[in-house]
Amino acid sequence: GEDVEQSLFLSVREGDSSVINCTYTDSSSTYLYWYKQEPGAGLQLLTYIFSNMDMKQDQRLTVLLNKKDKHLSLRIADTQTGDSAIYFCAETLSGYALNFGKGTSLLVTP
Amino acid sequence: NAGVTQTPKFQVLKTGQSMTLQCAQDMNHNSMYWYRQDPGMGLRLIYYSASEGTTDKGEVPNGYNVSRLNKREFSLRLESAAPSQTSVYFCASTPDVNTEAFFGQGTRLTVV
Repeated sequence: GEDVEQSLFLSVREGDSSVINCTYTDSSSTYLYWYKQEPGAGLQLLTYIFSNMDMKQDQRLTVLLNKKDKHLSLRIADTQTGDSAIYFCAETLSGYALNFGKGTSLLVTP
Repeated sequence: NAGVTQTPKFQVLKTGQSMTLQCAQDMNHNSMYWYRQDPGMGLRLIYYSASEGTTDKGEVPNGYNVSRLNKREFSLRLESAAPSQTSVYFCASTPDVNTEAFFGQGTRLTVV
């Protein structure tokens, strides 16, 4: 499928906010997802947003959706060293499977 | 809570050997998927099974076959392994289409 675009790397200081951006391809995607992958592990759903919403907040996580530009972002407030991981943006593909971006490696430094 | 279980976790094969990666889910999900993850490539869909008894090709199906043995199990077979199939393989399941995917822990396969 077409590429879901994400920046590959982000480094932030502990306590700062992190913003990870994503541009998706399918304007008909019903849900858009953020997954987290820690080293040596599978992907774990972090949060998701329904396509008729423009913002969703879940504790330290804020998801913003701009449907016109097909842009999705994930903001992590008060970033901690335990947030260091790879973050994947995903859209539904052909109604059956998820189309993933290449992932953004987040490094949180003390 | 087992969720999605993959076996084996690690495997080394010689070029030309065959093997089957096993995946089972205990969540009564309808749909199951096989992805491969390569550095700099993200996750790419190999095959999926929207429901028991059906399978369909994904983005990168060449060199693989799948079997949806029953609702719980979805296996991936490499008939003649090639070095290009060195990757980490993830199985996932979803209750239905357009819903959250649950992933297994992955199988790290090396073909030498």
